[in-house]
Amino acid sequence: DIQMTQSPSFLSASVGDRVTINCKASQNINKYLDWYQQKLGEAPKLLIYNTNSLHTGIPSRFSGSGSGTDFTLTISSLQPEDVATYFCLQHNSGNTFGAGTKLELK
Amino acid sequence: EVQLVESGGGLVQPGRSLKLSCAASGFTFSNYYMAWVRQAPKKGLEWVATISTSGSRTYYPDSVKGRFTISRDNAKSSLYLQMNSLKSEDTATYYCARSSGSFAYWGQGTLVTVSS
Repeated sequence: DIQMTQSPSFLSASVGDRVTINCKASQNINKYLDWYQQKLGEAPKLLIYNTNSLHTGIPSRFSGSGSGTDFTLTISSLQPEDVATYFCLQHNSGNTFGAGTKLELK
Repeated sequence: EVQLVESGGGLVQPGRSLKLSCAASGFTFSNYYMAWVRQAPKKGLEWVATISTSGSRTYYPDSVKGRFTISRDNAKSSLYLQMNSLKSEDTATYYCARSSGSFAYWGQGTLVTVSS
């Protein structure tokens, strides 16, 4: 089974900061890596699919990069509404989520 | 607008069964794979099952294989999850999701609590 290691687990940043979250796969997952945002009390929402494709309606301050085993979600300028927990998901072989990154405002 | 509405959750004793439902609207249900994903209280996300468009192919992780069965009724635009031999560790909010590899749309979830 493919394991996903997500870092950091917790992140505190200020409005306007550039924020990066990482996921590392235990083996090559090609481009099949997504990023999801989950706000408190809500269902997860797809942000980025297949490494770097922006889902419908998602602001352009969100972007994804990477390949093979190492992937990054970047928020170019943090907004108050971005406070949430972020998860990565590999769907190259089965489906495995990362443990999550809780993002708070400093 | 894509809508997914789960139902059927509740309190159930260990070893018993429960069947969840998901009503879909706003898209051509029969054209999409569908999936269930769960989240234990204050924990991360875990994929539970996926079903192909016709229902002929199903996929599960080892944690639920042999106990859970995913099914669908394309005429009713509905997805189901039959859960048998429930354990305390199955306690979670269960989400249905439209799948295209990625889980593009999610319902609001239904809570299943397994406890005596």
